[in-house]
Amino acid sequence: KQEVTQIPAALSVPEGENLVLNCSFTDSAIYNLQWFRQDPGKGLTSLLLIQSSQREQTSGRLNASLDKSSGRSTLYIAASQPGDSATYLCAVKGSTGGFKTIFGAGTRLFVKA
Amino acid sequence: DTEVTQTPKHLVMGMTNKKSLKCEQHMGHRAMYWYKQKAKKPPELMFVYSYEKLSINESVPSRFSPECPNSSLLNLHLHALQPEDSALYLCASSHLPYDRDSEETQYFGPGTRLLVL
Repeated sequence: KQEVTQIPAALSVPEGENLVLNCSFTDSAIYNLQWFRQDPGKGLTSLLLIQSSQREQTSGRLNASLDKSSGRSTLYIAASQPGDSATYLCAVKGSTGGFKTIFGAGTRLFVKA
Repeated sequence: DTEVTQTPKHLVMGMTNKKSLKCEQHMGHRAMYWYKQKAKKPPELMFVYSYEKLSINESVPSRFSPECPNSSLLNLHLHALQPEDSALYLCASSHLPYDRDSEETQYFGPGTRLLVL
C-alpha cells in the first residue's frame, strides 16, 4: 500500500529565505508525482507535475525534483514571500491501489514579512 | 477556461436532511472525482467517474450518493449524514480517464465546506 510522508509538518521562515520541502513515498512504481498548494479552507492548486521519466520540473521560483528509486521528491522555493504561505501537498499516482492519487498530509508553510 | 466550480461554498445540514453538492467543469475532461478532506488531513478519494460511469467507489457509505448526469456535471447527494461527515468536499477533473494515462493533471474546485449538526 502506497504511503506518502511529508517532512516537516510545519515550517516558519523569514521572507527572502530559500527553502526545501520534502516528500517520500513507499512504492517506487509511480506514474507521476504532483505538488499542490492549498490555502486555508480552499481547494488545491497544481504547482508542478513530474512524470516518472523526469527528474525535475521548474516553474518560476519553484523547482521540484524526483528520485523514484529512493522514493523521494523535494520542492525548492527560492526567495520566499509572505504570499507563499500555504499548505503544500505532495501526491503520487501509481499502479498500486487502482491508479489512485495518494496525498501526503502536507507541509504548512508560514513566511514572515 | 481551466476552472472547476462547486456549489454551494458552505452548507449546514441536520442529520435528517437531504442535500446535494454540485460540481461543474467545461474543460472537456472525461474523468471527475469527489474527495473528502478533514481539517489538517490530506484529501481522501471517495468516487471516480470515467466517461460518466462510476469507476471507483472507495467503500463510501451509502448515505453519500454520486451522480454524473453528463460529462460536465458531477453531483453528490447527501442523506442522513452524521456529524463526523463534516468536512471539506472537493471535486476534481482530469483530461483523460483515470486509469489510462500518467500525465494528466487533476484540476480541483474550491470545495464545499459541510457542517452536519
